Order: sequence, then structure tokens, then C-alpha cells
Amino acid sequence: SAVISQKPSRDICQRGTSLTIQCQVDSQVTMMFWYRQQPGQSLTLIATANQGSEATYESGFVIDKFPISRPNLTFSTLTVSNMSPEDSSIYLCSVELWDRKNNEQFFGPGTRLTVL
Amino acid sequence: AQSVTQPDIHITVSEGASLELRCNYSYGATPYLFWYVQSPGQGLQLLLKYFSGDTLVQGIKGFEAEFKRSQSSFNLRKPSVHWSDAAEYFCAVGARTGTYKYIFGTGTRLKVLA
Repeated sequence: SAVISQKPSRDICQRGTSLTIQCQVDSQVTMMFWYRQQPGQSLTLIATANQGSEATYESGFVIDKFPISRPNLTFSTLTVSNMSPEDSSIYLCSVELWDRKNNEQFFGPGTRLTVL
Repeated sequence: AQSVTQPDIHITVSEGASLELRCNYSYGATPYLFWYVQSPGQGLQLLLKYFSGDTLVQGIKGFEAEFKRSQSSFNLRKPSVHWSDAAEYFCAVGARTGTYKYIFGTGTRLKVLA
């Protein structure tokens, strides 16, 4: 299993500003994922972050808006840039672990962002 | 395209009653299937998963799910619901589209009446 922490747990920000969310894992992992969960909605994958390479973004998400860093195998950051109220969401990071042929994603507790 | 459908947005059951949450998926190959639970203010916790083998899988907290390939379904069940089961439940399919990723359903919010 994996234990994941995120900082901050919540924040309230002004529009036009940026927030960087940190994700720390207690073990080395290859793949890390960032999700957005808008109020009352399901999880939408923003991007996949593989250590040592550029993040891969899903349709509708761009690097200028959601730059991601992955400096090592236990850490990643997601920045929400030039925020607007529509960015108010819970942002979750997750990691993928493979056990023989099985796969499982473990999720962090999330960062609840409110943009005024 | 891969997709996951959870037809029931909200479900209300009485404590002690049985529960079934529906999940249908669309995926061209044999899917990896998951059920997660999200309690208020909490992250996601894995209840159970299906990769292969026995189509009836047991999970934590007394939950089980049955994979039915002919119906493209992976419904979650519990014989007797506890008040602490009130939460949001998400079904997900693991899909390989370039990279491997999870596709989540829209979730089912469970309310438990005392």
C-alpha cells in the first residue's frame, strides 16, 4: 500500500492568483496522477506525471493552466494558475502500485480549493 | 470510448437493509474494475477490485461485487447496511488508452436512515 499526504488540505484564494499543491508519497512510485473533483461531481483526470518526463495532460487540461512538477519518485506538485471561481474543486493526487498482475491506485486526502 | 455509468445518483436505505449499487462499463477488453468509497471530507478508499478469476469479489467492510461480462456490470452489494456506510461510492474501470488510467463513474450518494 501507499500513504499519501497533500498540502495544503484546503485554501481560499483570490481570483487571478496561483496555488501550488504538494503531494508526498511514503514510497517510490513511477506513476502519479492528479485529479479534479468539482462540487458534486466525479473525479476527472487532469494529468499523469511520470518521474523524469513531461506530464501527460488529458483533453481539456493544459500545462499553462496546470503545470506539474515531478522532481523525484516520492513527490509531485500541481499548480493551479490564474485561478477563477470555476477552479473551485477538490484536487487529489494518486499513485499507482502494481503487485504481480494487479494494479491499484491509492489516493491522497485531497486539497479543497475555493476561489473567490 | 471507455466509460462508466452509475445510474443512481442518490440511494436511501434503512439501516439493516440490503444494498445494491449499480455500475455499468464500456470497455473493449477485459476490464480492471474497482469500487471506491468517499466519506465526507475524506479521500477515496478502495473497497474492492476485480482483475480476473472469480467473478464474485469480496471487499472490506462487508461489501462484495459481482462482475457480469454479459451485462457489462459490476454491481456493489452489502447484505446489511450500517449507518456508517453513508458516503459517496464510485465505480471505476482501469483502461489503457496510451497510458493506463482510471475512468470514474459519476458516483452514487448513499443515505442511511436510522
